[in-house]
Amino acid sequence: AQSVTQPDIHITVSEGASLELRCNYSYGATPYLFWYVQSPGQGLQLLLKYFSGDTLVQGIKGFEAEFKRSQSSFNLRKPSVHWSDAAEYFCAVAYNQGGKLIFGQGTELSVKP
Amino acid sequence: GAGVSQSPRYKVAKRGQDVALRCDPISGHVSLFWYQQALGQGPEFLTYFQNEAQLDKSGLPSDRFFAERPEGSVSTLKIQRTQQEDSAVYLCASSLITGSPLHFGDGTRLSIL
Repeated sequence: AQSVTQPDIHITVSEGASLELRCNYSYGATPYLFWYVQSPGQGLQLLLKYFSGDTLVQGIKGFEAEFKRSQSSFNLRKPSVHWSDAAEYFCAVAYNQGGKLIFGQGTELSVKP
Repeated sequence: GAGVSQSPRYKVAKRGQDVALRCDPISGHVSLFWYQQALGQGPEFLTYFQNEAQLDKSGLPSDRFFAERPEGSVSTLKIQRTQQEDSAVYLCASSLITGSPLHFGDGTRLSIL
């Protein structure tokens, strides 16, 4: 069955430090890949998505992600974290461009001063 | 409104009661999804509408769950004879057309006592 794994439940980084959140997926073909962010009591906001083409995709708020087919990964990165980045981050896959999303368990990001 | 609106934001019900959760998608959005997010988990797909047609209801956990979108705009998720395991945040999302980015509402937090 298709699944998404986010190995890190909780990560703490210092403000200004770099960040990488891991995401691995299990799917027979190249999926459509997404990263969402969720602040407490809020819905999900799309950070970036990968459908095809360049495997390094840029998103909002200075985030980027790289699709690596050989590793079935789609890790999210940010070179310098801001305190306002503290939130829950979800990786998701879809079978097709408009299809239902399968989410990972999420990674909670804390940012320390 | 500018975004997806869900009501109520919070709902407390006694076990065995019926509840109805409302979603007002962005005007003109064709696709509408419902997700269930348990505490500490990623959202899980419940059902999908394209206009008034319910094209996928494979994620509805039991026949106690029912969703409708009779005029292709507002959608209602109904849960009959609620159980404690129904306690979760219920998220609604809409998109303009199939394949365009999903816009999520802030969710309804349902607590079953």
